[in-house]
Amino acid sequence: NAGVTQTPKFQVLKTGQSMTLQCAQDMNHNSMYWYRQDPGMGLRLIYYSASEGTTDKGEVPNGYNVSRLNKREFSLRLESAAPSQTSVYFCASKVVKGSNYGYTFGSGTRLTVV
Amino acid sequence: EDQVTQSPEALRLQEGESSSLNCSYTVSGLRGLFWYRQDPGKGPEFLFTLYSAGEEKEKERLKATLTKKESFLHITAPKPEDSATYLCAVQGPSGSRLTFGEGTQLTVNP
Repeated sequence: NAGVTQTPKFQVLKTGQSMTLQCAQDMNHNSMYWYRQDPGMGLRLIYYSASEGTTDKGEVPNGYNVSRLNKREFSLRLESAAPSQTSVYFCASKVVKGSNYGYTFGSGTRLTVV
Repeated sequence: EDQVTQSPEALRLQEGESSSLNCSYTVSGLRGLFWYRQDPGKGPEFLFTLYSAGEEKEKERLKATLTKKESFLHITAPKPEDSATYLCAVQGPSGSRLTFGEGTQLTVNP
């Protein structure tokens, strides 16, 4: 049981290049999320998918697109990377365990756009 | 708009010196308040969810409490391995997102 797996762990892009960040969870969760974490800003929601086949914008969606490929996989695409997208990106899925629930996060993708 | 403010930004303790971290929040209709621990270079690790004022939860040296305006994470007799950034987040009535605070960076010296 790996939880939430993100690839790649590190990436350097040139301005204008495109790339896709991959996320997969093996916990059979319906809801999945993409966050970015920046110093002094906390974690901010980019996009989320409440269930397979649906996606919605979060707080900072501009410059990103997402695909919920199936129940397990939720990818984040940068079509034309900008230096402002330099950040650490986290994927998460929502856990429901009886009276206690939370979100399980992946280990992150550290992206630098030069 | 949901808001979360954590204080202090950074806290240094000696091993065994108990203290508390604060999370003040504003949200219209709290569905849950979450505490996470984040180690350098890692993703946030789930600690607790609190749902209503007066609720308390404990895990080893950590105890989380909740009022209508704030939550506290009490750390009793901390050890160096408790050093991490502790994040607080709230979920409002939409249920679709978490709003995070900026975190408290805790350092416990041996």
